[in-house]
Amino acid sequence: KQEVTQIPAALSVPEGENLVLNCSFTDSAIYNLQWFRQDPGKGLTSLLLIQSSQREQTSGRLNASLDKSSGRSTLYIAASQPGDSATYLCAVRTYNAGNMLTFGGGTRLMVKP
Amino acid sequence: DAGVIQSPRHEVTEMGQEVTLRCKPISGHDYLFWYRQTMMRGLELLIYFNNNVPIDDSGMPEDRFSAKMPNASFSTLKIQPSEPRDSAVYFCASSFPARRNTIYFGEGSWLTVV
Repeated sequence: KQEVTQIPAALSVPEGENLVLNCSFTDSAIYNLQWFRQDPGKGLTSLLLIQSSQREQTSGRLNASLDKSSGRSTLYIAASQPGDSATYLCAVRTYNAGNMLTFGGGTRLMVKP
Repeated sequence: DAGVIQSPRHEVTEMGQEVTLRCKPISGHDYLFWYRQTMMRGLELLIYFNNNVPIDDSGMPEDRFSAKMPNASFSTLKIQPSEPRDSAVYFCASSFPARRNTIYFGEGSWLTVV
């Protein structure tokens, strides 16, 4: 059974700092990996999607990398801003799990002005 | 597009009562998912549908939970009878097959059972 772990569970940084969020998964036979953002009281918004054949994806100040063989992904946020404060979740779609996403527990990020 | 629409946004009910949560997926999407989110267990997939047909309901915790999708634009998740441990945020999400990797979430139904 696929298990997804995110470290750290919470992170507080000053504005302007570059930061890295980590995601690891136990079954490397994945179809793709996705990073989401969740604001308090809201649903999840997809940030980046990396197919299993890709190494990274970029969107603005966000860069996500994937090392499928080691079961790891990182989300890099450059020049963090208070508006980046949210919970970030990674999720993987595994080959033997149909169209189901398995989510990590999330990293709660606070960027202080 | 209005996105995935869920109702009610918040519900407080007494133990033993029936709870019905509703979802309208994005038009044209033929995958629909029901998730539950709690502090202890994070996000869990309860059930998902493809073309209105339940594909995998292995995440449904017990027989008190049931889900239906009578047509492409509407789904319900019902809990009967409700218990305090059912208190959670229930999310509905939908996706389109050609771009099935992109999944869109509703804003959730916050359920409290007292």
